[in-house]
Order: sequence, then structure tokens, then C-alpha cells
Amino acid sequence: AQTVTQSQPEMSVQEAETVTLSCTYDTSESDYYLFWYKQPPSRQMILVIRQEAYKQQNATENRFSVNFQKAAKSFSLKISDSQLGDAAMYFCAYRSARAVQGSYNTDKLIFGTGTRLQVFP
Amino acid sequence: NAGVTQTPKFQVLKTGQSMTLQCAQDMNHNSMYWYRQDPGMGLRLIYYSASEGTTDKGEVPNGYNVSRLNKREFSLRLESAAPSQTSVYFCASSEGLGGYEQYFGPGTRLTVT
Repeated sequence: AQTVTQSQPEMSVQEAETVTLSCTYDTSESDYYLFWYKQPPSRQMILVIRQEAYKQQNATENRFSVNFQKAAKSFSLKISDSQLGDAAMYFCAYRSARAVQGSYNTDKLIFGTGTRLQVFP
Repeated sequence: NAGVTQTPKFQVLKTGQSMTLQCAQDMNHNSMYWYRQDPGMGLRLIYYSASEGTTDKGEVPNGYNVSRLNKREFSLRLESAAPSQTSVYFCASSEGLGGYEQYFGPGTRLTVT
């Protein structure tokens, strides 16, 4: 079964600085998707960035970028020029690309336990 | 365009009571999901509906039932609430299975005393 591990329960960063959140995963599949979700105090889960495993190029969305190391099964999130509004819980998630109806093992998003990011002025 | 909406936002139940959590999406998505989020754990899938007319168990289905009422609505029912079901419940939807982005509702905080 696939697992997702976030080993940093909490991180902090100064405003305008850069911070990297770690995520590792375990899978025997070769084709899958990886996601970073942000959960602010409002509780709303918001997709930050998504990476397809078959793409070698690291995904980037404005100040957010990932370092995807497929062989090492590592998927870290880098936040540049941190802002106060970036303070939130961040969850790494995995999903198989092989979606088979009736098999939740392939249909579900598998989440890590989250990293709480604090941003200081 | 409201996205995914959930009602209620907060609920307190006594052990043994029943209730239904409502979820609706206006994005014409085929797939819908119910997750629960507990402290120190990520979200865990309770049930999902790949398309209208189908529902399947997720990782933690015991104590819950679901109904895909139509393409827009997917409800979660607790028949006899237990303190172990105290959690935050999220509904989500996506275009389909696989790598499509899942859009989440704002969550329902449920406390069972």
C-alpha cells in the first residue's frame, strides 16, 4: 500500500524568506500524481501545486515550486518570498494514475499528516 | 459559482443520534468524495462516488452510509453516532478518477458527546 510521510510537524519562516517543506512517499507504481494542499485556519483545503510522475520537469506555480525526485520518492515544496498569508497546514498527497472503479486503493488521495507553517513578520 | 458547499458547518450530537451531512457541487463533476480529518492524521477517505449512481467504500467506511442523490449532491449519514466519529468532515469533487484535481468544501466540524 502507498504511504506518504511528512517528517516536519512544524516549520517557521521569516516573511520574504524561502522555506522548504519535505515529503516522501512509498509506492511500487510508476505512474501517479503528487499534490500539495494548503489548509489555512478557515479549514478550506486548497490545491497549491500538482506534479505528474511521468514529467521530469518540476512543477511551478508563482512563488511555489517542487523538487520532485522520483528515484528517491521525494516531493518537497519550496515557498519563495514567504508571505503572512502562507501560514497554514500543508499536506502532501499521492494518487495513483491507474483509477479503477470499485478499488479505493487506486481511487483515493493518500495524505501525509501535514506540516504547520508559521510565517513571522 | 460556489464550488463545493457543505451543511452544516458545525454540529454537536449525543451518542446514538443520527444525522446527515449534505454536500453539493456546481462544477458538473462526475466524482465526489467524503473524507474525515482527525488531529495528527491526514485526511482519510470514508466513501466515494465515481459517477452518478455508484458509491464505493473508502478506507474507513464503518458507521457511515452515503447517497449520491444526483450528479450534484452526495450525502453522508451517521445512523448511530459514536464519540469516535468526532472529527472534521470534508466533501470533495473532481471531474473524474485518477489525477484530476479534487476541490474541497469548507468542512463540517462534528462533535459527538
